[in-house]
Amino acid sequence: QVQLLESGPGLVKPSQTLSLTCTVSGDSINSDHYYWSWIRQPPGKGLEWIGYIYYSGTTYYNPSLKSRVTISLDTSKNQFSLSLSSVTAADTAVYYCARGPPNGGTNFDYWGQGTLVTVSS
Amino acid sequence: QSVLTQPPSVSGAPGQRVTISCTGRSSNFGAGYDVHWYQQLPGTAPKLLIYRNTNRPSGVPDRFSGSKSGTSATLAITGLQAEDEADYYCQSYDNSLSGCWVFGGGTKLTVL
Repeated sequence: QVQLLESGPGLVKPSQTLSLTCTVSGDSINSDHYYWSWIRQPPGKGLEWIGYIYYSGTTYYNPSLKSRVTISLDTSKNQFSLSLSSVTAADTAVYYCARGPPNGGTNFDYWGQGTLVTVSS
Repeated sequence: QSVLTQPPSVSGAPGQRVTISCTGRSSNFGAGYDVHWYQQLPGTAPKLLIYRNTNRPSGVPDRFSGSKSGTSATLAITGLQAEDEADYYCQSYDNSLSGCWVFGGGTKLTVL
C-alpha cells in the first residue's frame, strides 16, 4: 500500500520560506512510472496544483507560482520536498503531497493526509 | 475562477441518483485530456474516485460512474447514501499558457 506523509513547520512568518517534506512508503520515487506532486488547499477553498518532480530531477511548476517554488528529491530517503519563498497570508493552506501524474497520464492516485501551514507573524 | 466549472452544491435524498457536472474548455476536455474525479470527506485528503473519464479504482463502489463528452463531464452517484456526503472535485490537464494540472472549484454534496 502506497503511503505519503507530509512533515514540516505549521507556522511560517510572512516573507519567509515555507519548507515541507514528503516521505513515501510502499513505492520508490526512483522510478520512471510516476511523477510526484505537491497540491494545496486554502481553508474552505478548492485545490491548486503546485508542481511535480520526476525521478530524474525534472521539475515542472504551476506558472502562477513558478517564480517562488522549488521541488527537490532525496532518493536515498525516498522523500521529495517543497520550498515556497516570500510567503504571504494567501499561502496559508493545507499542503498535500501526492503520487502523480503517472507517466502518460494526468491523475493523482495516492495522497498524503495533508499538513496545515499558516503564514502569520 | 476555476478553469473547470462545477456547481457549488447539489443535494439528494437517500437512495436517489444525483449528478455533478464539470464544464471545461477547448484547452482541456476539448483538447482530448481526460477528466478525473476525487471525493473529499470532511477533514480528510481527497481520494481518487474516477480516473480517465470512466474508470473506478479498486474498492470504489459501482454506484459511482463518470462520463465525458466534448467539453463537459459528469459524475453520477446512484443509490445515494449518507456516507456520500462530501466535496467532489473534477480534475484535468489544461494546455493553455504553459500548461498546468487543474481542478474544478468543487461541489458540496448534501444527503438530505
